[in-house]
Amino acid sequence: ILNVEQSPQSLHVQEGDSTNFTCSFPSSNFYALHWYRWETAKSPEALFVMTLNGDEKKKGRISATLNTKEGYSYLYIKGSQPEDSATYLCASPGGATNKLIFGTGTLLAVQP
Amino acid sequence: EAQVTQNPRYLITVTGKKLTVTCSQNMNHEYMSWYRQDPGLGLRQIYYSMNVEVTDKGDVPEGYKVSRKEKRNFPLILESPSPNQTSLYFCASSFRGDTGELFFGEGSRLTVL
Repeated sequence: ILNVEQSPQSLHVQEGDSTNFTCSFPSSNFYALHWYRWETAKSPEALFVMTLNGDEKKKGRISATLNTKEGYSYLYIKGSQPEDSATYLCASPGGATNKLIFGTGTLLAVQP
Repeated sequence: EAQVTQNPRYLITVTGKKLTVTCSQNMNHEYMSWYRQDPGLGLRQIYYSMNVEVTDKGDVPEGYKVSRKEKRNFPLILESPSPNQTSLYFCASSFRGDTGELFFGEGSRLTVL
């Protein structure tokens, strides 16, 4: 089974801090890397889907980078706000099987 | 409005009583999938479907069945629910399974007594 791992498990930051977390995945047979944002009592929502080595994507204060050769992706949040508090999930397909494997997530809490 | 709709949202049932959780999407997506969420384990894939009449097992398919008779619907069937199937279930769809972003339903919280 493909292992997708995320670190840290949880993170507490102050409003205005910038933060980042990591998703690691096997670099062989890479197809894509997904990032989702999951707020409590809601459903996960897609942030980015990245496919190319060296890809960088940005949505507002959130950005992500991808290194497929070494098997990691970083998610950055610039100037964290309380509304950024959520669990951030990454996922990668298990090769050609279309089984999308999720990491256990990074829980971000932003204190006002 | 583009959406994935699951029903029921909440259900308490008893061991052995067959139940179906429905899932419907209005985005004409080819790919649909079911996940369960358990504390500390992340989202685990139960079954997925690449298209009508094409379904395949995910990582935790035991105790579940699915069908894909129409493109928009992908029901999850628990023939004989057991307490270890108590979980939060999500249905999701995308235009393709590997590189398409997933659109999730609102979740169905199931308790099996």
